[in-house]
Amino acid sequence: AQKVTQAQTEISVVEKEDVTLDCVYETRDTTYYLFWYKQPPSGELVFLIRRNSFDEQNEISGRYSWNFQKSTSSFNFTITASQVVDSAVYFCALSEGTSGTYKYIFGTGTRLKVLA
Amino acid sequence: ETGVTQSPTHLIKTRGQQVTLRCSSQSGHNTVSWYQQALGQGPQFIFQYYREEENGRGNFPPRFSGLQFPNYSSELNVNALELDDSALYLCASSLGVAEGTYEQYFGPGTRLTVT
Repeated sequence: AQKVTQAQTEISVVEKEDVTLDCVYETRDTTYYLFWYKQPPSGELVFLIRRNSFDEQNEISGRYSWNFQKSTSSFNFTITASQVVDSAVYFCALSEGTSGTYKYIFGTGTRLKVLA
Repeated sequence: ETGVTQSPTHLIKTRGQQVTLRCSSQSGHNTVSWYQQALGQGPQFIFQYYREEENGRGNFPPRFSGLQFPNYSSELNVNALELDDSALYLCASSLGVAEGTYEQYFGPGTRLTVT
């Protein structure tokens, strides 16, 4: 069965600290996709990254980086030098590639609070 | 390029009533998915429409139904509203499977309150 676990309910950091948000997933498919979304207080989910199961290369985009490890079924997200504007709820999601329906299975989210 | 829009922004209904939520997909996108997000939870998949046909459904009862129109906009209808239907309803659009792109782009949501 598909499942996404975000064990960290809430994290508070002081501005400029680095922070890592954990995501562990479960799937039986060999083809799947992983995503991270940001949900600011306005409510709209903002797409951050997509990674497919055949590409374990880590990615860096500015202050954001993602570490995908199939061996541990994890897809962790690190924000370097956090800023107050990074405060939001972050969701990890899984989509399987063989069912024909590309629904997302979301984790329960991690609320990040960056304090000035 | 116009993003995903949803209407209305907020809605208050009484238990037992019916509601229709609307979504306009991003330009060029032919797939629309609907999600329900209860307070403090992650979004839960309701169903997906691809080129006007239902293309998968989550664990929601039949009183949740939908439509997709030729311009790829979509409606979510909920009959016989229950208190537990109170949630943020999110619409997401994407290019369909055949086009090989899978990111879903979300609208701002409709906040439904059932009293």
